[in-house]
Amino acid sequence: AQSVTQLDSQVPVFEEAPVELRCNYSSSVSVYLFWYVQYPNQGLQLLLKYLSGSTLVESINGFEAEFNKSQTSFHLRKPSVHISDTAEYFCAVSEMDSSYKLIFGSGTRLLVRP
Amino acid sequence: DAGVIQSPRHEVTEMGQEVTLRCKPISGHNSLFWYRQTMMRGLELLIYFNNNVPIDDSGMPEDRFSAKMPNASFSTLKIQPSEPRDSAVYFCASSRGQAWGGYTFGSGTRLTVV
Repeated sequence: AQSVTQLDSQVPVFEEAPVELRCNYSSSVSVYLFWYVQYPNQGLQLLLKYLSGSTLVESINGFEAEFNKSQTSFHLRKPSVHISDTAEYFCAVSEMDSSYKLIFGSGTRLLVRP
Repeated sequence: DAGVIQSPRHEVTEMGQEVTLRCKPISGHNSLFWYRQTMMRGLELLIYFNNNVPIDDSGMPEDRFSAKMPNASFSTLKIQPSEPRDSAVYFCASSRGQAWGGYTFGSGTRLTVV
């Protein structure tokens, strides 16, 4: 069965510093990978996704994630964070043969301090 | 596009009462999902509808929970009778077909059972 592990429950970082949020998955088949962001009192929003092709994917607000098949990872990075990036970030996986279903990780709370 | 609309935003009810949560998916989306979010268990998929038909309800916790989708623009999640352990944020999400397109989440209903 597929699963997603986000080892860090909270990541504190100073404004303008780089950040990496870690995500590892397990699956016996090929997968699609996603990062969602949840701002306080809101639903989840799709940040970026990997379906195929280039292993490096980017979002419009400066985040990027790299699919590493050998390490079964899909870590999220940003070279310089803003206060407004404070939110909960969820990694999710969908197996290609059961592709309606998204399995979410437990989430990582990114706390950006001035 | 108004997005996925959930009502109510907040619900406080007494143990034993019936609770009905409502969701209006995005027009043209043919897949609808109900998720529950708690601190202890994270995001859990409760049920998935495709073209108004329940496809996977393996996540529904017990018989007290039921979900319906009478048409393409409306779904309900009912809890009867409610218990304090049902307190959580319930999210509805919709998508156009498979998960690789990304889900659109509603803002959620925060349920408190006292």
